[in-house]
Amino acid sequence: DAGITQSPRHKVTETGTPVTLRCHQTENHRYMYWYRQDPGHGLRLIHYSYGVKDTDKGEVSDGYSVSRSKTEDFLLTLESATSSQTSVYFCAISGTPNTEAFFGQGTRLTVV
Amino acid sequence: KNEVEQSPQNLTAQEGEFITINCSYSVGISALHWLQQHPGGGIVSLFMLSSGKKKHGRLIATINIQEKHSSLHITASHPRDSAVYICAVSFPGGGADGLTFGKGTHLIIQP
Repeated sequence: DAGITQSPRHKVTETGTPVTLRCHQTENHRYMYWYRQDPGHGLRLIHYSYGVKDTDKGEVSDGYSVSRSKTEDFLLTLESATSSQTSVYFCAISGTPNTEAFFGQGTRLTVV
Repeated sequence: KNEVEQSPQNLTAQEGEFITINCSYSVGISALHWLQQHPGGGIVSLFMLSSGKKKHGRLIATINIQEKHSSLHITASHPRDSAVYICAVSFPGGGADGLTFGKGTHLIIQP
């Protein structure tokens, strides 16, 4: 199995608080992605990174920011959590854009 | 808009049956992925293909580039195959901006 770990696995937070999710990889892959998974929508891209300090927005980036200061870590921050951000968040990695993608176990976030 | 459509959305079958899940997409792609997600679980990559056919155990994936269509087949299905199967594609131009996903097919195999 690819070495990719998400933390925390579960979190409940209050509306308006900042939240940071962490994705850690041991594969030295260049590309890292944050997706959210919601019923009826499938997985949607929030942000992605194509190298250290190189990031870009995805389809549903509003209310989220990311940082990548090291190859192995990609952080997703909800600046001020809202109930609409209750979701399951998945991190994924790949060596190149068109090679196999590996996914973390997911983080279930509930905003109350 | 680049779309990925899967069918059926839900499928219930008896153990031993031959299963087919379909995926169609609207524009040219560079690669197509089939993924598996068990309830409450993570997402596992089953296949990545850009042409032809691939086989792994009881799973077979095919793609027809001209028709913009792919199928995932499961032979001799078993209750442990019960999961959500997700089709995803990457588009030409590098695809650095990730995958575009179908909404998944929820498969239940009854003993």
